Amino acid sequence: EADIYQTPRYLVIGTGKKITLECSQTMGHDKMYWYQQDPGMELHLIHYSYGVNSTEKGDLSSESTVSRIRTEHFPLTLESARPSHTSQYLCASSEFGNHNEQFFGPGTRLTVL
Amino acid sequence: GDSVTQMEGPVTLSEEAFLTINCTYTATGYPSLFWYVQYPGEGLQLLLKATKADDKGSNKGFEATYRKETTSFHLEKGSVQVSDSAVYFCALRVNTGFQKLVFGTGTRLLVSP
Repeated sequence: EADIYQTPRYLVIGTGKKITLECSQTMGHDKMYWYQQDPGMELHLIHYSYGVNSTEKGDLSSESTVSRIRTEHFPLTLESARPSHTSQYLCASSEFGNHNEQFFGPGTRLTVL
Repeated sequence: GDSVTQMEGPVTLSEEAFLTINCTYTATGYPSLFWYVQYPGEGLQLLLKATKADDKGSNKGFEATYRKETTSFHLEKGSVQVSDSAVYFCALRVNTGFQKLVFGTGTRLLVSP
């Protein structure tokens, strides 16, 4: 059973607002990820982390930022939300080592008006 | 670069029909291969995986065989149920460096009673 949580599940917000999407996991995984999933379902890696104090940009350029101050917590922040940020955001985590699967949270569906 | 190609959907079947969702990949080295499933409003769940050539992954009646000679990992199920309606993602992970997942674009399966 995967123990990875995302809040909020749904968020509708106006343009220009600052938002933080929360992601927490209780499995002690070092590696964590953020994906953006567009309406066509395709998943794009936007951020990842090897562990505490490690953050890297993913394959898709994103105006969001992330932090990793604690192993279990990997929040994503948008300083000024825009309609183009409307999407589903999925957080995941995994252990180090070959063949280890990624466990996904339930996602946050963000709508920026 | 590394990539995954899977058949476009939606795939529409009647209950108890046979399912095949095609997946082929391009990768350097020897990737691990995965099928993930996403039910409506949820995150991704690992359905099955295979870590080397000729391995067969199986779970919940689904199975897929890692075919290195054809670079394929097709998903099959002998008799689908309405509850199998979901989006299915094929993915690979190259087992070097950060070991990130590369996803296909997803295939929506719709099963009618």
